[in-house]
Amino acid sequence: SQELEQSPQSLIVQEGKNLTINCTSSKTLYGLYWYKQKYGEGLIFLMMLQKGGEEKSHEKITAKLDEKKQQSSLHITASQPSHAGIYLCGADITSGAGSYQLTFGKGTKLSVIP
Amino acid sequence: DAMVIQNPRYQVTQFGKPVTLSCSQTLNHNVMYWYQQKSSQAPKLLFHYYDKDFNNEADTPDNFQSRRPNTSFCFLDIRSPGLGDAAMYLCATSPGQAYSSYEQYFGPGTRLTVT
Repeated sequence: SQELEQSPQSLIVQEGKNLTINCTSSKTLYGLYWYKQKYGEGLIFLMMLQKGGEEKSHEKITAKLDEKKQQSSLHITASQPSHAGIYLCGADITSGAGSYQLTFGKGTKLSVIP
Repeated sequence: DAMVIQNPRYQVTQFGKPVTLSCSQTLNHNVMYWYQQKSSQAPKLLFHYYDKDFNNEADTPDNFQSRRPNTSFCFLDIRSPGLGDAAMYLCATSPGQAYSSYEQYFGPGTRLTVT
């Protein structure tokens, strides 16, 4: 089974609408990373969350970490076509001492209709 | 700008013909990673180097090898590519400092096609 589950697998929204993507871990999270990937390209780092309850924002994207639930959410406000792509969560689930290996989810494909 | 560079971006090879993918970085990071990503799948870690120390994932096939001749460069060698090895190969780097978690910086990837 997948150690990091993302939902939904795909999402189509009208431009201007808000949306949320979830990432749930089957193991304790020691660090949670959100990346964006455009088709056929590498991953672009968005945000890193390390502490339970932590919330970070960048432009119209906000990410939260619920450590107790072993879950993170990524929220986009007033979506734009430029937000379209695949959003992947990656997590350090190997140890509490700090690791430099990440396990990734399969990604959520976001399409934004103008 | 400091970055992670992968060459080539697209590689076509024949079944069984050895192929090498390259990655270079100007970030001076300790750790370099190679991932395999198939369509609609999560990136799968093949191996990583912490400085010169090589770490192979348990389920990485023996067909995949890697070399890191210096801090800046890392190579992925596929000795006898099969049709199932067609994928996007992603290189990433990380500062890798102990007791800290740092984001990984990814290159643009090399899409490998096996004919």
